[in-house]
Amino acid sequence: KQEVTQIPAALSVPEGENLVLNCSFTDSAIYNLQWFRQDPGKGLTSLLLIQSSQREQTSGRLNASLDKSSGRSTLYIAASQPGDSATYLCAVRWIDRDDKIIFGKGTRLHILP
Amino acid sequence: GAVVSQHPSWVICKSGTSVKIECRSLDFQATTMFWYRQFPKQSLMLMATSNEGSKATYEQGVEKDKFLINHASLTLSTLTVTSAHPEDSSFYICSASPSGISYEQYFGPGTRLTVT
Repeated sequence: KQEVTQIPAALSVPEGENLVLNCSFTDSAIYNLQWFRQDPGKGLTSLLLIQSSQREQTSGRLNASLDKSSGRSTLYIAASQPGDSATYLCAVRWIDRDDKIIFGKGTRLHILP
Repeated sequence: GAVVSQHPSWVICKSGTSVKIECRSLDFQATTMFWYRQFPKQSLMLMATSNEGSKATYEQGVEKDKFLINHASLTLSTLTVTSAHPEDSSFYICSASPSGISYEQYFGPGTRLTVT
């Protein structure tokens, strides 16, 4: 069964710290992996999309890496700010599932001012 | 670009009634739209995939007669929750894939449904 797991479920860190969110997935035959941000009661904002042939993607203070062989991805947030507080979702699209996306349960991040 | 809207953003209905949620792609055509539901502190679970002009494909365990999906145009898909029950209360999110770009999905802001 293809699954996406995110650990930890929740994380609190002081403002200014660098942090890493983890995502693991079963079955390395992925098409791509995507990180989203979700604010409470809101929809999803796409942060970074990594194709299976890529190792990492960067956008501003965010850097996402992908290691297909180990079934892992990390989202690195530099110099965290209170505005980064949100739930971060990892989502995987596998080659054999057309365009369906499987989401992890997310990591609820709280940046302490 | 690539904006998806949902209407309403929240709705309260009584048990036994039906409620319709709209999903629109505002600045692109979407051959395929997806409907997800999300329970508190849980992940998004795909309910069904709809393709314009054809019947929706439902995920295992989703009752197609309860969750009616219509994708009548390249910019509009609707989800109707029929004979709603309190356990149907959830956050419903749609997404849309631009025609010809199947790996991209743009998400709507979600609809909070509360059934009393």
